[in-house]
Amino acid sequence: DIQMTQSPSSLSASVGDRVTISCRASQDIANYLAWFQQKPGKAPKSLIYAASSLQSGIPSKFSGSGSGTDFTLTISSLQPEDSATYYCQQYKIYPRTFGQGTKVEIK
Amino acid sequence: EVQLVESGGGLVQPGGSLRLSCAASGFTFSNYAMNWVRQAPGKGLEWVSIISYNSGNKYYADSVKGRFTISRDNSKNTLYLHMNSLRAEDTAVYYCAKEEMATIGWWGQGTLVTVSS
Repeated sequence: DIQMTQSPSSLSASVGDRVTISCRASQDIANYLAWFQQKPGKAPKSLIYAASSLQSGIPSKFSGSGSGTDFTLTISSLQPEDSATYYCQQYKIYPRTFGQGTKVEIK
Repeated sequence: EVQLVESGGGLVQPGGSLRLSCAASGFTFSNYAMNWVRQAPGKGLEWVSIISYNSGNKYYADSVKGRFTISRDNSKNTLYLHMNSLRAEDTAVYYCAKEEMATIGWWGQGTLVTVSS
């Protein structure tokens, strides 16, 4: 199975900060990488597919980059409503696998 | 608007069985592959299974292979997860999720399955 490793596991940043989350795959997954946001007690929400394409309705402050094994999710200007846990997932090969999550908190 | 409503969760004893359902609306259900994803209490997301639009292809996580079966009824716009030989480690919120752009695009609100004696 492909292992997905996110870093950091958690971070605390101020409103307006630029935040970057990393995701590394244990083997080449090309651009078959998605990002999801989950707020406490809520269902996940899809943010990005194909490493860098925004899902419909997702604001442009979210962006994704990378290919192969190294990927990044960036929030350009952190807002209180962005406080959540973020997960990456590879969908190149079954079984699909998620990263362990990155918890983003507001200082 | 896309709506996915899961049902069928509850308390079941170890070794027992349960069937989850996911009622879909707001899109042409028969055109899309569908997933189940679960989340144990306080833990991360775990992909469980996927079924193609016409039930021709099904894939499972190793942790559920041979015990869980995914199915769908396109005439009823409903996705199912048949769970047998349940274990304590299957305790989780189970989410139904719609494929979009070859990955998950939309999630239901989830149903809680608790396996305990």
